[in-house]
Amino acid sequence: DAGVTQSPTHLIKTRGQHVTLRCSPISGHKSVSWYQQVLGQGPQFIFQYYEKEERGRGNFPDRFSARQFPNYSSELNVNALLLGDSALYLCASSWGTGSYEQYFGPGTRLTVT
Amino acid sequence: AQSVTQLDSQVPVFEEAPVELRCNYSSSVSVYLFWYVQYPNQGLQLLLKYLSGSTLVKGINGFEAEFNKSQTSFHLRKPSVHISDTAEYFCAVTSPYQGAQKLVFGQGTRLTINP
Repeated sequence: DAGVTQSPTHLIKTRGQHVTLRCSPISGHKSVSWYQQVLGQGPQFIFQYYEKEERGRGNFPDRFSARQFPNYSSELNVNALLLGDSALYLCASSWGTGSYEQYFGPGTRLTVT
Repeated sequence: AQSVTQLDSQVPVFEEAPVELRCNYSSSVSVYLFWYVQYPNQGLQLLLKYLSGSTLVKGINGFEAEFNKSQTSFHLRKPSVHISDTAEYFCAVTSPYQGAQKLVFGQGTRLTINP
């Protein structure tokens, strides 16, 4: 079975631009979470979505938004990019709200110049 | 709210030596605990988890961890390491009482295996 997939693998954006990152969960998984990992630090929780509804949000500004589609894939959107948004963005999926094992994708490396 | 402290940012060991990576957590409610490994330029791979039951948990690649509630610790151990174990290791905590399935991670421990 395919694991969690993310696209693109890498991208470079300029300050002030907008970016959309995509994630496809493991088949059968209905929950998707997003994490930001700045170089040299542990991942930080951004969002969790389950059955297309937001179930949790971390301490991130409103420039960050996300959504989940009927096929359980998800998009993370970041507006008005700042240099500090440069990071590895990780997507994780799990069966549902009763499952606490999260399976991570390879991540999208975002560089803001 | 939960927090995780990984007591060592870097741990160098020789191949075939034992290793322990230390993790302490803070929480006012019951927690679930995890160890993840991250190889260079990759995502996170689940090594092992503690949800309930036996406090000694065995994971993949010969790793094990012991949950100690009184000391709020969840240290990771391996009796004999290999070069391929070189990676970043993250301890994480979550709680079934917080609503979202939010994992709180430590800062990571870089394990370097020397031949």
